[in-house]
Amino acid sequence: GQQVMQIPQYQHVQEGEDFTTYCNSSTTLSNIQWYKQRPGGHPVFLIQLVKSGEVKKQKRLTFQFGEAKKNSSLHITATQTTDVGTYFCAGRTGAGSYQLTFGKGTKLSVIP
Amino acid sequence: DAGVIQSPRHEVTEMGQEVTLRCKPISGHDYLFWYRQTMMRGLELLIYFNNNVPIDDSGMPEDRFSAKMPNASFSTLKIQPSEPRDSAVYFCASSPWAITDTQYFGPGTRLTVL
Repeated sequence: GQQVMQIPQYQHVQEGEDFTTYCNSSTTLSNIQWYKQRPGGHPVFLIQLVKSGEVKKQKRLTFQFGEAKKNSSLHITATQTTDVGTYFCAGRTGAGSYQLTFGKGTKLSVIP
Repeated sequence: DAGVIQSPRHEVTEMGQEVTLRCKPISGHDYLFWYRQTMMRGLELLIYFNNNVPIDDSGMPEDRFSAKMPNASFSTLKIQPSEPRDSAVYFCASSPWAITDTQYFGPGTRLTVL
């Protein structure tokens, strides 16, 4: 079945440093979504990427979808303590499929 | 809108007992999803419904798990009998319609089976 691998599993950064998490799929994806889960909270949708090579920005967050639509990345510039949480990618293989396959997430800790 | 509502927020039970988790999706949403989250396995889709009809239950771990959606505003996930390995956070999520992909998650139910 489809697998979505996410690395690293954990990342500790000093406040102000940059952070990147990577997502790789064993199969070509029709789209990929990113979610953030704060400690003790629930996943909250951040963004969806659909097109090959797509890049989207949300303030300090930059999301990329690979040319082959098999990988994606999330980059945070100048991390803040409010960025703490686990970031998940979730891939969908077919346009008609509603099953999202989630990566295991990258847990980000920001040291003030 | 109140968002997706789940109850209870925490459940502690003993092995062998029946557990029922409840979910109220966002009004007007046609899709409802049940997920389980553990440290080892991450977020796993258990089952999803479209217009109250179960579409894919291939993620349900075994016959001890069952889910129902009697109407558009209510769904249950039942575990009978419960086992310690069922301990996890169970999330319910809903999604508006066929074209929109965003899933809105509820706060989750933290289940502990002793």
